[in-house]
Parts: sequence; C-alpha cells; structure tokens
Amino acid sequence: DGGITQSPKYLFRKEGQNVTLSCEQNLNHDAMYWYRQDPGQGLRLIYYSQIVNDFQKGDIAEGYSVSREKKESFPLTVTSAQKNPTAFYLCASSIRRGYGYTFGSGTRLTVV
Amino acid sequence: AQKITQTQPGMFVQEKEAVTLDCTYDTSDQSYGLFWYKQPSSGEMIFLIYQGSYDEQNATEGRYSLNFQKARKSANLVISASQLGDSAMYFCAMREDMRFGAGTRLTVKP
Repeated sequence: DGGITQSPKYLFRKEGQNVTLSCEQNLNHDAMYWYRQDPGQGLRLIYYSQIVNDFQKGDIAEGYSVSREKKESFPLTVTSAQKNPTAFYLCASSIRRGYGYTFGSGTRLTVV
Repeated sequence: AQKITQTQPGMFVQEKEAVTLDCTYDTSDQSYGLFWYKQPSSGEMIFLIYQGSYDEQNATEGRYSLNFQKARKSANLVISASQLGDSAMYFCAMREDMRFGAGTRLTVKP
C-alpha cells in the first residue's frame, strides 16, 4: 500500500545535539512538507519541497535544515540552534503543491 | 499572504446533534481551495473534505458538509449526527498557502 512513513514515532535527545527525523513516501508525490505542532496548537510550516534538489523555507525554518536528494525522501534535521525543539513533527506529501496532503503519523521529539 | 482563521478554540456538542466549526479566510486570489482535516488524540491527520472556489455546490462527504459562503470568505464545516469518535481537533487549511488554522477542539458528550 502507498503511504508516507515517519520514523521513529518517539525520539529523545540531549540538549545541544542535532537530530534527524525521517520521512519517506512511496506515493510518487512531487511535493513534501514539514510541520511543527506544539501542544494544543495548530500546525506551523517549517520547510517544503516541490521537486528534488529544491526546497523553500516556511514560517519557522530557523534552527532546522532539510534535504531532498530523492523524490521519496525529505529528512528534517533539528539543529542545536533550534531554541525549543520539543514538539510533534508532521511530514506530509502531495502530488504537487496545492493538492491534498497525505500525512505521516508524526514524530514526537523530546529534548532534555 | 493568505490567512486562515478559526475562532473557536473549543466546542461541545451532544451526541447525535449537528455542530458547525467556523473557518474564515483571506485571499485575493479568484481560484483557491480549502481543506478540512481531523486530528484525533493519536496525532494523525485525517482528510475530511475539500471545497474549490469555483465548485458550484457545497462539498459533502458522508456526515461532513461545507457551508461555503464565498462573499463572506467563510468555509464552515458541518458535522451531522455527531458521534463520540468525532471528538478531536479540526483544522482548516488553504490549498495554495500550505498553512493551517489554529484549530478547534471538538468534544462530543454522551
């Protein structure tokens, strides 16, 4: 079955360490997105990519980095520069930008 | 930039009754679309319904329907015959903008 996979589901890291969140899709979608969600809040766009080897910053890109070397994969690195990284991270994809999103199940990152 | 507003942080509804969740938007585009998603406590995002600005009729999907009022720039979600499993966060989003509203937490009471 086609879908979008985020791993791991839960992730713990020590403050000051970089951490990479995985997002893989086998839907043949061109566009992929990363969102951050804090408790009781909405989704905020971190980065998005419309095509391989290209990506754009969203509203809260500071302290995060991404790559899009393959169509299927859009990993997100939370760097030590991100002041408050503890949050729920959701990855999504769509056929192209502006089409309906398919979401992964999310990664809950806790930095201690 | 486009903007999505959900003004109801929380809503309560009695089981089997209907409920309306508000969503207003701001755009200067003539062609646009709006999505509604449901997020249960598990965190997954579930697509519910889509409305395009040029669609002649309001969108419906089972118990979900959209009360789309273009002139007022509102796209309210109507859930009929609420069920306990409808308790969740609900988000609207603009197609072009990739941004979501702040969400409404719906609680269905038995």
